[in-house]
Amino acid sequence: EADIYQTPRYLVIGTGKKITLECSQTMGHDKMYWYQQDPGMELHLIHYSYGVNSTEKGDLSSESTVSRIRTEHFPLTLESARPSHTSQYLCASSARRPPLHFGNGTRLTVT
Amino acid sequence: AQTVTQSQPEMSVQEAETVTLSCTYDTSESDYYLFWYKQPPSRQMILVIRQEAYKQQNATENRFSVNFQKAAKSFSLKISDSQLGDAAMYFCAYVAQGGSEKLVFGKGTKLTVNP
Repeated sequence: EADIYQTPRYLVIGTGKKITLECSQTMGHDKMYWYQQDPGMELHLIHYSYGVNSTEKGDLSSESTVSRIRTEHFPLTLESARPSHTSQYLCASSARRPPLHFGNGTRLTVT
Repeated sequence: AQTVTQSQPEMSVQEAETVTLSCTYDTSESDYYLFWYKQPPSRQMILVIRQEAYKQQNATENRFSVNFQKAAKSFSLKISDSQLGDAAMYFCAYVAQGGSEKLVFGKGTKLTVNP
C-alpha cells in the first residue's frame, strides 16, 4: 500500500487568502505530481517534479506554485485564492518507473 | 501528442454480471505502459491493473482483466462478477517508457453497479 499523505482533506477559505496544500510521501520516490480535478471529471496535470530542486509546470496552466526542497515533501501554494480555484487537488508520486500512487486529495472551496 | 479516449462516459451493470469498459489511445511509441485506475466517490485513486506494451499476454488481477490489442491501440477493462464496491469512476491512462513519463489520462467512465 502506497504511503502518500495530503492535508488538509477539505478546506473552505475566503477569496484573497494564501493557502498551502501539503503533500508528503514516505516511499523515497523521486517523482511527484499535482493534478487538478473537478468532481467526476478528468485529471489535469498542473505541476511535477523529478527530484529535489526540480519543478516543472504541467499541461494545465495554474496560478499555483510548488517547491521541492526535500524528497518527501511537495507542497502547493496559492498566493491569493479565488473562486475559480475551487476544485480537488490530487498529489501523486512514483518511483523511477510507473505506476503513480495517489494521495486522498484536498477538496478546496474558495468563497 | 499522445491521447487517451474513453468513449463511455457512464456504464451500468447488475451485481454479479460482467461489464467491459473501453479505452483507446494514440501513440507513435513502441514501448509504453497502460493502466486502469479506480476512483470511488470521495475516496483515493487506486491502481486496478497495469499492462506493459511489450507483453502480449493480457494482465489479470482477480476479477479484473484487460483485453490489450496493441495494433488496434485498444485497452479495455473487463470486470467479472461485479460487486457493489466496484462502483466508481474508472480512468484509463498511458505513459511512454523512458520519455517524459507524464501519465496521460482519459476522461473517465462512471460505473454504476445495480443490486
